[in-house]
Amino acid sequence: DTGVSQDPRHKITKRGQNVTFRCDPISEHNRLYWYRQTLGQGPEFLTYFQNEAQLEKSRLLSDRFSAERPKGSFSTLEIQRTEQGDSAMYLCASSRPYGDTQYFGPGTRLTVL
Amino acid sequence: AQKITQTQPGMFVQEKEAVTLDCTYDTSDQSYGLFWYKQPSSGEMIFLIYQGSYDEQNATEGRYSLNFQKARKSANLVISASQLGDSAMYFCAMREATTDSWGKLQFGAGTQVVVTP
Repeated sequence: DTGVSQDPRHKITKRGQNVTFRCDPISEHNRLYWYRQTLGQGPEFLTYFQNEAQLEKSRLLSDRFSAERPKGSFSTLEIQRTEQGDSAMYLCASSRPYGDTQYFGPGTRLTVL
Repeated sequence: AQKITQTQPGMFVQEKEAVTLDCTYDTSDQSYGLFWYKQPSSGEMIFLIYQGSYDEQNATEGRYSLNFQKARKSANLVISASQLGDSAMYFCAMREATTDSWGKLQFGAGTQVVVTP
């Protein structure tokens, strides 16, 4: 059974650059979630999809952030004009619908210099 | 307002001993779910155990058990017979059945557990 995968695992970028992260969920899961985790804190919800539909977005997801899941399989999270405050671990999770357990990927650690 | 409170920032426990990690939650929903995840230093969140609000019995998964006290709104994790590999950050999380169709998890700040020989 293949788990949730994320790419890249680490990303270092300069302030003002755009970055894109990819998440591949567990194959039979139609829900996909993005969370952000800063040092010493628990993960914070950003957004989630059911199939290709984006069902909820957090207020944390400013207009510099955009997430897509065009074919209901993998998802991308793009951050435009990165800021130092965007430095965090970006976690992706997937689940079956309606209340099932969310399984997380290894995360992408973003460092903005 | 904080939905999940974990009051213990860190704990030391000796190998083979049991440890209890505290978690209290705040919700006005009747239907909700409570989760515990483990996060080793590698960063991946590992699912440990789940308790539904309507479950009458406490959940157990191997060495993990959840002490669910609904009236007190607490969902403490008990790890029995601690092992060195249990050293990690532990997060309590809740999912509410509000209008978002059982979507997001809300996490506490976590408890760092260090198991000593």
